[in-house]
Amino acid sequence: NAGVTQTPKFQVLKTGQSMTLQCAQDMNHEYMSWYRQDPGMGLRLIHYSVGAGITDQGEVPNGYNVSRSTTEDFPLRLLSAAPSQTSVYFCASSMGGSNQPQHFGDGTRLSIL
Amino acid sequence: GENVEQHPSTLSVQEGDSAVIKCTYSDSASNYFPWYKQELGKRPQLIIDIRSNVGEKKDQRIAVTLNKTAKHFSLHITETQPEDSAVYFCAAPNYGGSQGNLIFGKGTKLSVKP
Repeated sequence: NAGVTQTPKFQVLKTGQSMTLQCAQDMNHEYMSWYRQDPGMGLRLIHYSVGAGITDQGEVPNGYNVSRSTTEDFPLRLLSAAPSQTSVYFCASSMGGSNQPQHFGDGTRLSIL
Repeated sequence: GENVEQHPSTLSVQEGDSAVIKCTYSDSASNYFPWYKQELGKRPQLIIDIRSNVGEKKDQRIAVTLNKTAKHFSLHITETQPEDSAVYFCAAPNYGGSQGNLIFGKGTKLSVKP
């Protein structure tokens, strides 16, 4: 049981490039979320999904796209990378509804030059 | 959606002293309040949580208290040890928990001096 797996662990991009951050979970969790973590800003919600085929925007969605074609996978796409998107990205999953803790992946450290 | 405020942003204590971190939230429908610990370069990990039907919960040296009337909750760490040094985050459910995600405070960097 691997939990939440994120790839890659590190990535350097040039401004304007696109890429996809991968996230997979093997706990059969319905709910998945993407957060970004910047110094002094805590964890901010980018996008989330309450089940396959359903996604919605969080606090800071601009510049990112998501899709949820299966229960297991929830990729995050940067359409045209900007230096402001330099951050650590965490994917999380939960069983769903209220009163459920989030299970986090190890994160992807992304630098945009 | 929910809004969570966390104080202080940094906290330095001597080993063996107690540490208290406080959070306020805005949505009266929120009913689940977890605390996460994040060591440098690692993922956030749940250390304790409390649900709205109780006022206090303890787990060894860690405790969380909840005041639903005032909409605030606190993390208490007693007999602090150097390995308690980390960043701590409080959180509350977004939209009452219906969306399966959390809104986090900005974090408190705790330093325990030996």
